[in-house]
Amino acid sequence: AQSVSQHNHHVILSEAASLELGCNYSYGGTVNLFWYVQYPGQHLQLLLKYFSGDPLVKGIKGFEAEFIKSKFSFNLRKPSVQWSDTAEYFCALYNTDKLIFGTGTRLQVFP
Amino acid sequence: DTGVSQDPRHKITKRGQNVTFRCDPISEHNRLYWYRQTLGQGPEFLTYFQNEAQLEKSRLLSDRFSAERPKGSFSTLEIQRTEQGDSAMYLCAGSGANYGYTFGSGTRLTVV
Repeated sequence: AQSVSQHNHHVILSEAASLELGCNYSYGGTVNLFWYVQYPGQHLQLLLKYFSGDPLVKGIKGFEAEFIKSKFSFNLRKPSVQWSDTAEYFCALYNTDKLIFGTGTRLQVFP
Repeated sequence: DTGVSQDPRHKITKRGQNVTFRCDPISEHNRLYWYRQTLGQGPEFLTYFQNEAQLEKSRLLSDRFSAERPKGSFSTLEIQRTEQGDSAMYLCAGSGANYGYTFGSGTRLTVV
């Protein structure tokens, strides 16, 4: 069965630090991958998505993700985080007409 | 405002009672999804509709859960004989072309 794993459950960083959140998926076919963010008390919002083409995908708010097929990974990165990036981040795989989410990574950024 | 409205935002109910949630998607959303999210977990798929047809139900959706989307517009999710394990955030999402999902703010259910 298809699945998404996020091994970093809780990440704590200081402002200006670099960020990389891991995401691995389990699926042998063509993948469509997403990163969503959920700010405290708010709804899920799309950060970026990968369908095909350039494996380095740029999203909103300075985030990017790299699709590495050989590693079944789609890690999220940001070179310099801000306090306002404090949120929960979810990686998701689109398959059989629905999104399958990972368990999420809680990011706390301290000034 | 995401454009996908969910009502109510919060619901506290006693165990054994029935509850119903409503989701109003954007008119362009021919697909409508229900997810459940518990603390520390990602959203889990429950069911989805293509227009008014319910095309898939997760095994998570026990017989106590039922969803409808009459006329392919708004949708309701009913939970009968609620249990404490039903306490969660229930999310609705609409989708149109290009896999674009728009999530609502959710209904937080607490069963006491």
